[in-house]
Amino acid sequence: GEEVAQTPKHLVRGEGQKAKLYCAPIKGHSYVFWYQQVLKNEFKFLISFQNENVFDETGMPKERFSAKCLPNSPCSLEIQATKLEDSAVYFCASSQGNMNTEAFFGQGTRLTVV
Amino acid sequence: GENVEQHPSTLSVQEGDSAVIKCTYSDSASNYFPWYKQELGKRPQLIIDIRSNVGEKKDQRIAVTLNKTAKHFSLHITETQPEDSAVYFCAAISNSGYALNFGKGTSLLVTP
Repeated sequence: GEEVAQTPKHLVRGEGQKAKLYCAPIKGHSYVFWYQQVLKNEFKFLISFQNENVFDETGMPKERFSAKCLPNSPCSLEIQATKLEDSAVYFCASSQGNMNTEAFFGQGTRLTVV
Repeated sequence: GENVEQHPSTLSVQEGDSAVIKCTYSDSASNYFPWYKQELGKRPQLIIDIRSNVGEKKDQRIAVTLNKTAKHFSLHITETQPEDSAVYFCAAISNSGYALNFGKGTSLLVTP
């Protein structure tokens, strides 16, 4: 597609429930990035993929967060046993690859944990 | 890793005035510096970017300057309009994985 597509737009989960977010990158883009934006606007990098391979997971909270990018499927970010502090907007972005190319962002998924 | 500092955190200007937002970065290997504009409830959108082989880039009312020696770059918006009101983020690409390292954002308000 011509833009990064994220679903769902909004997600409400009770504490302890699982949340799963999806991202379809722009066709032809090899890199996918997940960012978490909390209410203070700050972006936190979570994980990146080069095609279906994890490229950089230095920002990923290892215990409850996992992510995948499988061939012919949207990428996904899953949070097990959600906590109140997981409430944020989760943005997915994709780019063609090298360090000097623009990253295009999806519309984001607003996760509210109650 | 890369650390990007952005100032000011809020900026209020009168319509028609100029606005300047400044960022510094720590990783001398960074070589791509985009600026994103984010309106309330929307996705970040690229407004201008600069690569390390140039010192300045301009696109209509928006310009970015880069000083690699000092490791700082700035966004300049001239003849501001109310629709320029938004949060602006600077970023630098880290050398560890192509991920953007964002500044904390500047909330720009342009009053008529």
